[in-house]
Amino acid sequence: NAGVTQTPKFRILKIGQSMTLQCAQDMNHNYMYWYRQDPGMGLKLIYYSVGAGITDKGEVPNGYNVSRSTTEDFPLRLELAAPSQTSVYFCASNGRNINQPQHFGDGTRLSIL
Amino acid sequence: DAKTTQPTSMDCAEGRAANLPCNHSTISGNEYVYWYRQIHSQGPQYIIHGLKNNETNEMASLIITEDRKSSTLILPHATLRDTAVYYCIVRIPTSGAGSYQLTFGKGTKLSVIP
Repeated sequence: NAGVTQTPKFRILKIGQSMTLQCAQDMNHNYMYWYRQDPGMGLKLIYYSVGAGITDKGEVPNGYNVSRSTTEDFPLRLELAAPSQTSVYFCASNGRNINQPQHFGDGTRLSIL
Repeated sequence: DAKTTQPTSMDCAEGRAANLPCNHSTISGNEYVYWYRQIHSQGPQYIIHGLKNNETNEMASLIITEDRKSSTLILPHATLRDTAVYYCIVRIPTSGAGSYQLTFGKGTKLSVIP
């Protein structure tokens, strides 16, 4: 059971480039989340999804887009990369039971130069 | 929103019990307390959660005070691999039923010493 899988693990982008961070889970979880973690700081919620076709903004959504066409996948898109988006990005998911814990992937380390 | 307060850092001798405290004095009656840890910038790892009863699993024990204003995570026999940042979290529900935001503070950096 792979859990939450994120790709790529590392990426360097130039300012203005775009890319998609991939997230997949094999636990049949309805709820999926994207967080970012800046150095020495806690996690901040970017976007979340309560099921296929439904997404909503979190605390820091500007500069990002998401889609949820299937239960398994929840990609995060950066359209015009900016240095302020240099961070570690974590994807998480949890099941339908409201008290189930969120399970996290290993993260994508993104640097924008 | 309930906030949590944790010590910035703690040391523990290898093989001894590590007791990590957390204050959450504004927690509401139906909110769970979750504990996660993060090792070397890996993804946060779920440890345990509880509402008002003490909980135990294969990783740790969670002791919640009767008034629910504080809790303690106990790692019974700390190993070097337990060196990590430990986060005590009271989650914030988002608009979708069953979904919630985890607000990670700065946590407690636990150093297990040989």
